[in-house]
Amino acid sequence: EDKVVQSPLSLVVHEGDTVTLNCSYEVTNFRSLLWYKQEKKAPTFLFMLTSSGIEKKSGRLSSILDKKELFSILNITATQTGDSAVYLCAVDYGGSQGNLIFGKGTKLSVKP
Amino acid sequence: GAVVSQHPSRVICKSGTSVKIECRSLDFQATTMFWYRQFPKQSLMLMATSNEGSKATYEQGVEKDKFLINHASLTLSTLTVTSAHPEDSSFYICSASWGGGRETQYFGPGTRLLVL
Repeated sequence: EDKVVQSPLSLVVHEGDTVTLNCSYEVTNFRSLLWYKQEKKAPTFLFMLTSSGIEKKSGRLSSILDKKELFSILNITATQTGDSAVYLCAVDYGGSQGNLIFGKGTKLSVKP
Repeated sequence: GAVVSQHPSRVICKSGTSVKIECRSLDFQATTMFWYRQFPKQSLMLMATSNEGSKATYEQGVEKDKFLINHASLTLSTLTVTSAHPEDSSFYICSASWGGGRETQYFGPGTRLLVL
């Protein structure tokens, strides 16, 4: 059964801390892994990872994929209160058009 | 826990026909369900929010007469694409929440719609 598991489910940190969010997966026909940030409306796309060991960076956020161990991490350095959100991991799998299976998300709360 | 299913997972239909997609929360009561459509570059567009027993709230630009949403029970919401056109072909995802807040959403596996 295809699945995506995120950990931890929730996390509370203080501004300036560095956090690491985890996403492991078991899917057939893996195509890519995606990270989203969800605040009030639809999830906002952050990264798409397709190759192992290549870090993607955007400001204080970075992510990397390990296709051998079937997991990805999302790092946020020098966290700010605006980083508070639910971070979703999804895996694109199967078929020529692709489908997404989502993890349950990690709720990050950054305290001032 | 917090499992959400969608049916069908994949559907092909002819232009002009209507297609119904079901979203079910299997082990919890979902007071609120959300319907999304996936667009290129991985973005997800929120189409509408439905609360059990009341009319859905549609996002700007989403035709409510074309995308009919019904949330008749605490475990089931349906999205009906009426008079489907090829441009409606997409990946439709639902999510469910019991808290009413957008932050506690659990996503279904999605439905791939292809309109010929």
